[in-house]
Amino acid sequence: QSALTQPASVSGSPGQSITISCTGTSSDVGGYNYVSWYQQHPGKAPKLMIYDVSNRPSGVSNRFSGSKSGNTASLTISGLQAEDEADYYCSSYTSSSRVVFGGGTKLTVL
Amino acid sequence: QVQLVQSGSELKKPGASVKVSCKASGYTFTSYAMNWVRQAPGQGLEWMGWINTNTGNPTYAQGFTGRFVFSLDTSVSTAYLQISSLKAEDTAVYYCARDRTTGTDFDYWGQGTLVTVSS
Repeated sequence: QSALTQPASVSGSPGQSITISCTGTSSDVGGYNYVSWYQQHPGKAPKLMIYDVSNRPSGVSNRFSGSKSGNTASLTISGLQAEDEADYYCSSYTSSSRVVFGGGTKLTVL
Repeated sequence: QVQLVQSGSELKKPGASVKVSCKASGYTFTSYAMNWVRQAPGQGLEWMGWINTNTGNPTYAQGFTGRFVFSLDTSVSTAYLQISSLKAEDTAVYYCARDRTTGTDFDYWGQGTLVTVSS
């Protein structure tokens, strides 16, 4: 099972909005509404930020939102803050192996 | 509050075995499946598989069959990952992560256990 495709890096200035894409196939992202996004700060465990494409767990800021179109899912962070600087990973249910992660995207807040 | 606490870092020689533990608290252990995720140094997350905490039945992702074993001790709410015949490429941080509900995302994670394989 190949990893989902994410850009290696994105950047933005404080207050701006950024979007991270996550591209898969009809066997994973495009076939199910089971896309999740995780935030990982250096040396820390990942944290669930979005599940089922666009749902936020309790306690996650509403600056984080998720969407999907076809085989590509997206994570948007609005009102960028310094603390948002981290690695972000998407994941999806897949018919072949249950869960597959994306390669990860490093977000830099300028 | 829900917590997953993993065992400490390990330094092992090639060919040896290692067993990583993940102790759960703050919820009914057998109500949520447990997953294992690997992260090699400087690399991304890789789903290794999951174990049904009710039945003890494990499912391994492609690439994690043979040398990897998931197990449980429900009496102490603990999940285990054992890796045998260790290779240098097994050097990574290993995380346990609880299923949220549907098995498609993970709402609580352990702090990670670094396993280093070096002669």
